[in-house]
Amino acid sequence: EVQVVESGGGLVQPGGSLRLSCAASGFAFDNYWMTWVRQAPGKGLEWVASINQDGSEKYYVDSVEGRFIISRDNVKKSTYLQTNSLRVEDTAAYYCARELRFYYNYMDVWGKGTTVIVSS
Amino acid sequence: EIVLTQSPGTLSLSPGERATLSCRASESVGSKYLAWYQQKPGQAPRLLIYGASNRITGIPQRFSGSGSGPDFTLTISRLEPEDFAVYYCQQYGGSRPTFGQGTKVEIK
Repeated sequence: EVQVVESGGGLVQPGGSLRLSCAASGFAFDNYWMTWVRQAPGKGLEWVASINQDGSEKYYVDSVEGRFIISRDNVKKSTYLQTNSLRVEDTAAYYCARELRFYYNYMDVWGKGTTVIVSS
Repeated sequence: EIVLTQSPGTLSLSPGERATLSCRASESVGSKYLAWYQQKPGQAPRLLIYGASNRITGIPQRFSGSGSGPDFTLTISRLEPEDFAVYYCQQYGGSRPTFGQGTKVEIK
């Protein structure tokens, strides 16, 4: 079965850090971009970061640039989001997704999400 | 950054009715870079349409996408009870994708 499973969310104080993980299975992980998308409570979807197949290209939404780092380990078939200097407004469900960036671009396999709560 | 504006914000319809959802980009977006997602409460988003008009395998034929930059449309020909959800359009105008704010299709 093709799937991605997130982990690592939790409650953290403002200024703190969390490392989110996403484990992939059922597909050739190193053939795909991977991405993180978040959703604040009651709000819409916000793309956060993407990484290409070999990790040489990384892109971030402006609001997390310099604070979050996306990475991947193709041997472990996993992608990670290191979240630093967390702010209250980073509170959200964080989804990992498989991403195609070829002729068509889209996110076709999504995990169930992991929740990050930033609060004192 | 390309901004996607979806309308209406909420669509109140009855099962069996036709739903027409709009997505307008702040600048031209190539059709191959436009996708639609469905999200139900407590669930992850699900890809429905890519390349503006291509249904993903398993998505019922009542879902159809159309349009070209900057205006795109998702149509649900006859609403089934399981179609009441929030729908998002998404674009890849550059390296940084963006989502519209969503249209909620609710039962009237």
